[in-house]
Amino acid sequence: GEDVEQSLFLSVREGDSSVINCTYTDSSSTYLYWYKQEPGAGLQLLTYIFSNMDMKQDQRLTVLLNKKDKHLSLRIADTQTGDSAIYFCAESISNFGNEKLTFGTGTRLTIIP
Amino acid sequence: NAGVTQTPKFQVLKTGQSMTLQCAQDMNHEYMSWYRQDPGMGLRLIHYSVGAGITDQGEVPNGYNVSRSTTEDFPLRLLSAAPSQTSVYFCASSPVLAGAYNEQFFGPGTRLTVL
Repeated sequence: GEDVEQSLFLSVREGDSSVINCTYTDSSSTYLYWYKQEPGAGLQLLTYIFSNMDMKQDQRLTVLLNKKDKHLSLRIADTQTGDSAIYFCAESISNFGNEKLTFGTGTRLTIIP
Repeated sequence: NAGVTQTPKFQVLKTGQSMTLQCAQDMNHEYMSWYRQDPGMGLRLIHYSVGAGITDQGEVPNGYNVSRSTTEDFPLRLLSAAPSQTSVYFCASSPVLAGAYNEQFFGPGTRLTVL
């Protein structure tokens, strides 16, 4: 079955880089996603990576995918107070045209001034 | 566009009561879903729909019913509320694009407490 795991908490000093890690179990994933949840709000898509890529960069965000180890990471450069949130990784698997999304437990990122 | 809207934002129920959580989207998305979010457990899929008239069960469907009579609306019904259903509920929608990534758009959530 599908299982997506993340550490629950991460604290980082303002200005440092944050690295949030995720492991998944289903090797047939098509896309992997990172969603951000700010306090009291729903989730918003931050970035995604197609399963045949190993890296994607988007401004301060770098996504690394290691398919062999089923490991996904999100690096946020120059972390700011506005980056405080819960970050969820999610894997999607296509099944007869339907896409099933499985979310991880979420990592709460706290920024230390 | 309003995006995905959910009502109510907060609700307190007594054990055994029933209620309906409303969800609507104005983006003409085919796919809609309901999740519950519990501490340390991430989001778990309750029910989903790939179009009007079509619904299916997710990971944790027991105690919940859904229907999809229109593309826009996807209400979630709690038949007889139990304290284990205390959670934050999120509705989401997305287009269905074969072979492409599908961004899910989330509503702001409904925080439900069952006493």
